[in-house]
Amino acid sequence: NAGVTQTPKFQVLKTGQSMTLQCAQDMNHNSMYWYRQDPGMGLRLIYYSASEGTTDKGEVPNGYNVSRLNKREFSLRLESAAPSQTSVYFCAIQDWSSGNTIYFGEGSWLTVV
Amino acid sequence: AQSVTQLGSHVSVSEGALVLLRCNYSSSVPPYLFWYVQYPNQGLQLLLKYTTGATLVKGINGFEAEFKKSETSFHLTKPSAHMSDAAEYFCAVSITGTASKLTFGTGTRLQVTL
Repeated sequence: NAGVTQTPKFQVLKTGQSMTLQCAQDMNHNSMYWYRQDPGMGLRLIYYSASEGTTDKGEVPNGYNVSRLNKREFSLRLESAAPSQTSVYFCAIQDWSSGNTIYFGEGSWLTVV
Repeated sequence: AQSVTQLGSHVSVSEGALVLLRCNYSSSVPPYLFWYVQYPNQGLQLLLKYTTGATLVKGINGFEAEFKKSETSFHLTKPSAHMSDAAEYFCAVSITGTASKLTFGTGTRLQVTL
């Protein structure tokens, strides 16, 4: 997982509850990403952060907020969870020194009931 | 903008047979191309990547892929399938530039039978 740590690994939420997925890297890379993975749809970008203090929407940002607290950490927040947000969430970092390679964390399995 | 199409959501091969997973891309600028593998209940692991230079790229576990600009393809191959190759495989494209985003195909699940 190339130094990308996600927490929690598993979480069950009730509809309407809020929670934050945490992501931390230990490699000092500028770019960090949040993806969600759903069956038959591959990975879709939720939000990304090109550098500390900046964030931008990806393909599916609705229902999520993010915060790039510092260079090391990038969190994803669900303010009011919905069953449609049941998914596997992956944090990723981009290594510019190796041809823009993106490395993923091990994933967070979220179920909203 | 860029996009990726993976042909075949499921591919089944016999152990020892050739593995061929197809990927076509669309990109307005020279792309970076990647193949990732995902084993059940795990994250994505980089198999190989094409950035610039040699168009035939070798990766881990005996896989390789060839970048063909004229065909806008980046198919993944392995001469002889092993049971441990059973997994889901994702092709992805990234364009050059700052904060370039990775766009994924929908994945191909490889089944290896005896």
